[in-house]
Amino acid sequence: DAKTTQPPSMDCAEGRAANLPCNHSTISGNEYVYWYRQIHSQGPQYIIHGLKNNETNEMASLIITEDRKSSTLILPHATLRDTAVYYCIVRVADTGNQFYFGTGTSLTVIP
Amino acid sequence: NAGVMQNPRHLVRRRGQEARLRCSPMKGHSHVYWYRQLPEEGLKFMVYLQKENIIDESGMPKERFSAEFPKEGPSILRIQQVVRGDSAAYFCASSPRQGAYEQYFGPGTRLTVT
Repeated sequence: DAKTTQPPSMDCAEGRAANLPCNHSTISGNEYVYWYRQIHSQGPQYIIHGLKNNETNEMASLIITEDRKSSTLILPHATLRDTAVYYCIVRVADTGNQFYFGTGTSLTVIP
Repeated sequence: NAGVMQNPRHLVRRRGQEARLRCSPMKGHSHVYWYRQLPEEGLKFMVYLQKENIIDESGMPKERFSAEFPKEGPSILRIQQVVRGDSAAYFCASSPRQGAYEQYFGPGTRLTVT
């Protein structure tokens, strides 16, 4: 599975959009980009995933560059409850057994 | 629907004792994954089980650690002769099938070895 690079920490004002970047320059053609988050001391929570098209669900949007070497998770209107560590993971879909969690980005939403 | 359940939530053991961590997957899920999170680190995969079978144990330490997922009952992660370095949060996740994009995580068991 490809390695990802994320900034260690970010701040975002409450009510503003939070844009979390992720680099995955060695991603393979059959690897998906997944995002999970971990609110303090809780188990990780799935957010969204995608292959090459942009994706949106009730939690967030995922923008993947055309060359697929990087992506951005967008939380459109950040709230205090979005303060968490966000993990960007790449993995082959349908065959992978595990997710490789790196150190992620610690997002702090500021009132 | 009940989510993934883990117990106990907190476990304190003295060095040399055994620790047993339990995980009940979501209803209808037959695939269970165990991860360990050391302080200030990301989660590390340990083992993947289906009912009565260990599918992938590539992340399990070679000694003292074992896991099972019997036909009936919860999955058990067992740590024998615990040492201080075993102190960590242990998370269980479940999914309805192999390779599912979403693994549902439990609240974790925090093991402290004194």
